Amino acid sequence: SQQGEEDPQALSIQEGENATMNCSYKTSINNLQWYRQNSGRGLVHLILIRSNEREKHSGRLRVTLDTSKKSSSLLITASRAADTASYFCATDVPGSGGSNYKLTFGKGTLLTVNP
Amino acid sequence: EAQVTQNPRYLITVTGKKLTVTCSQNMNHEYMSWYRQDPGLGLRQIYYSMNVEVTDKGDVPEGYKVSRKEKRNFPLILESPSPNQTSLYFCASRNFPGLAGEQYFGPGTRLTVT
Repeated sequence: SQQGEEDPQALSIQEGENATMNCSYKTSINNLQWYRQNSGRGLVHLILIRSNEREKHSGRLRVTLDTSKKSSSLLITASRAADTASYFCATDVPGSGGSNYKLTFGKGTLLTVNP
Repeated sequence: EAQVTQNPRYLITVTGKKLTVTCSQNMNHEYMSWYRQDPGLGLRQIYYSMNVEVTDKGDVPEGYKVSRKEKRNFPLILESPSPNQTSLYFCASRNFPGLAGEQYFGPGTRLTVT
């Protein structure tokens, strides 16, 4: 089953508006990461927030993490047409000796920013 | 420039014809993995490698093989491709997770098996 689930699946807004995407997960994490994917291209890392952090900023991006609710949100402020892409959250879970230290990705939110 | 490269970017092949997708990273990362991405199913891990000569199955390993003879390279091998392996494939690498951090993805290989 998916560790991370994004909500909504799709979001359409006008340029200049803010976009908020949410991610819920099931188990304890070391950190949570957000990635962006332009259509058919490789994923690009946006921001990482550790389990002991509650909020982080990077340019027009703001990420929050609520470990008690096992949820995170990504806010993109003053959106631009170039922000049109799919956005994925990925959870980095604690591993034990010999286990797979993999990032587990959700299915993504497709953001469309209309000019 | 830090990067993960994959080749080929696009490949159309026929059922049963063995193929290899190459992957190389220039960041001296220990951990490398392969994903496939399919509509409605998201990214699923095929195989991963913790270091040279150390590989293991991910979530969907059936029909795939990998090898890790050098730290920088992690090829994906389809011995006998079938149409259900038509997909978008990504190679990725990251530092050993004890150091935590971001994962770097290659540009993707779009494979069609007819």
